[in-house]
Amino acid sequence: DTGVSQNPRHKITKRGQNVTFRCDPISEHNRLYWYRQTLGQGPEFLTYFQNEAQLEKSRLLSDRFSAERPKGSFSTLEIQRTEQGDSAMYLCASSEVGADRNNEQFFGPGTRLTVL
Amino acid sequence: AQSVAQPEDQVNVAEGNPLTVKCTYSVSGNPYLFWYVQYPNRGLQFLLKYITGDNLVKGSYGFEAEFNKSQTSFHLKKPSALVSDSALYFCAVRDSPSGTYKYIFGTGTRLKVLA
Repeated sequence: DTGVSQNPRHKITKRGQNVTFRCDPISEHNRLYWYRQTLGQGPEFLTYFQNEAQLEKSRLLSDRFSAERPKGSFSTLEIQRTEQGDSAMYLCASSEVGADRNNEQFFGPGTRLTVL
Repeated sequence: AQSVAQPEDQVNVAEGNPLTVKCTYSVSGNPYLFWYVQYPNRGLQFLLKYITGDNLVKGSYGFEAEFNKSQTSFHLKKPSALVSDSALYFCAVRDSPSGTYKYIFGTGTRLKVLA
């Protein structure tokens, strides 16, 4: 396993269309996070899963956004009725749950979304 | 609320010179601090973390960071910069009260190492 993978790497869509991104975390990592990064800013937290349970959602995650992790392995992030303001890099990260709760997060390469 | 600040948008340093990238934090409770680096069109790579213990933390690629509780700072340092260190650097704090261990990131500092 070489790390967290995300697909697609780039997505261009027209306003109003739906898009779905996929994240495959490092095997056996229980925790999975989605972040959004806009130009000139640091990543901002969107949502968090522990195994298949979605335990926290940011206020940034409007009702057009939905995320799933059905079997506690890969995760999908769907944006419905995309808006130009959704254009950003969407980053996925995973980490282990272990005795050391301070394990660092490992990030994927991101999916860059452009909404025209 | 937990937060970090990176006061410099960009830092320029000559190759071979020491570099410092600044980060200050504001937390309730114990701080759990991280540094990540981001190269163009790539995800974030972990450099180092401070959880507890020695105030000087050593990390990947020759980087280290000094935790200073009185100044609430966690500056990233390297004794001798390389051109290949040129990248975007992010400081982050773990959001302890939430229980999710999510990160709160600074706005980033672009490091440019000049040959």
